[in-house]
Amino acid sequence: GAVVSQHPSRVICKSGTSVKIECRSLDFQATTMFWYRQFPKQSLMLMATSNEGSKATYEQGVEKDKFLINHASLTLSTLTVTSAHPEDSSFYICSARRDVGDTQYFGPGTRLTVL
Amino acid sequence: QKEVEQDPGPLSVPEGAIVSLNCTYSNSAFQYFMWYRQYSRKGPELLMYTYSSGNKEDGRFTAQVDKSSKYISLFIRDSQPSDSATYLCAMSAGGGTSYGKLTFGQGTILTVHP
Repeated sequence: GAVVSQHPSRVICKSGTSVKIECRSLDFQATTMFWYRQFPKQSLMLMATSNEGSKATYEQGVEKDKFLINHASLTLSTLTVTSAHPEDSSFYICSARRDVGDTQYFGPGTRLTVL
Repeated sequence: QKEVEQDPGPLSVPEGAIVSLNCTYSNSAFQYFMWYRQYSRKGPELLMYTYSSGNKEDGRFTAQVDKSSKYISLFIRDSQPSDSATYLCAMSAGGGTSYGKLTFGQGTILTVHP
């Protein structure tokens, strides 16, 4: 149990385009999902907390107009990187918090490369 | 000072060895402690989850939490080459405005060689 999927697993786009990444909890409901960013050989950095039916909460230094988050259901959250630039290239990982306890289950990640 | 400190290694051990991984932290509000394993280019996989102080065992893995010393450990017995990965400790205060927010250590790169 506790499976989280992400789609796509890898995306390459041109500078200036927008990219949408989906995060789904497959076998449990997740009122809260989180979006992380990970640079090579570094740990995960929380970008934002996504709550079903309400606006996302962004960490300090994360541009909310650039990283649009929508959490339309208890099993789906999306992250849209708008007007992507090469410095946005990174590994984006979502996690879903199981409503019982305080554990998070992570998706397999999406590698974004902006040319 | 970072809230969570973890020796990044790398750590290289022979197959069958006992591995000890550690994290220290400074935030006394942390109550939930987790260890994740991350293979290259994959998302972290939850290995162990502990609430407050104490020990927890699951197969070859044992997690220890000492809140008085602000120190947590993960022990891997009879290590296998398939255990080669990056191990991340993570912590959460669990309530209030930080509800569910995890703070991660830097991760320790472990290699178990045959």
